[in-house]
Amino acid sequence: QQPVQSPQAVILREGEDAVINCSSSKALYSVHWYRQKHGEAPVFLMILLKGGEQKGHDKISASFNEKKQQSSLYLTASQLSYSGTYFCGTWTSRDYKLSFGAGTTVTVRA
Amino acid sequence: SAVISQKPSRDICQRGTSLTIQCQVDSQVTMMFWYRQQPGQSLTLIATANQGSEATYESGFVIDKFPISRPNLTFSTLTVSNLSPEDSSIYLCSVEGEWYTEAFFGQGTRLTVV
Repeated sequence: QQPVQSPQAVILREGEDAVINCSSSKALYSVHWYRQKHGEAPVFLMILLKGGEQKGHDKISASFNEKKQQSSLYLTASQLSYSGTYFCGTWTSRDYKLSFGAGTTVTVRA
Repeated sequence: SAVISQKPSRDICQRGTSLTIQCQVDSQVTMMFWYRQQPGQSLTLIATANQGSEATYESGFVIDKFPISRPNLTFSTLTVSNLSPEDSSIYLCSVEGEWYTEAFFGQGTRLTVV
């Protein structure tokens, strides 16, 4: 079952922050985050394993609330290069496959 | 990490014909995944291909329309058969990293059916 991702789109000015949410009705083993730029393949950003950990890469970080089966991706002090569509991918304990959310299109403007 | 070479990168095909997409990985992997990404949409899993066994198809996808071969641990093909304009999409192959920690994607095949 596809995870629910929100918002659908967000427009930012450089330096602003944004949060993208991803939730599932199933018990999750891990949550993956990917960014896809137009005309390119998705690129892996980070993975969060069950246990409520938080990770970060540069000014992009994420958290995973295992009890709520929710993950959030935080874009801090956004840069033009952050523009793209962000997908969460969820991996359940029973399915050996990733299910992707509908995506959040992020546009960062100067 | 895994490097995936996917061919062709794009094609324009006539209705009723077929297109075969190739996916070559630089290391041996157990499972390979085929996704479809319709314009402006998310990635939808078509099937999982294991070497030495029949591919496992997701709901809404059938073998007659999307036959898959997996002759060895580094190679797979996806054929999209009896093409119609609704098949116009990007098709991506993917493999999982060790312990399913990361998905690696090929560059995708942009298919346009006319």
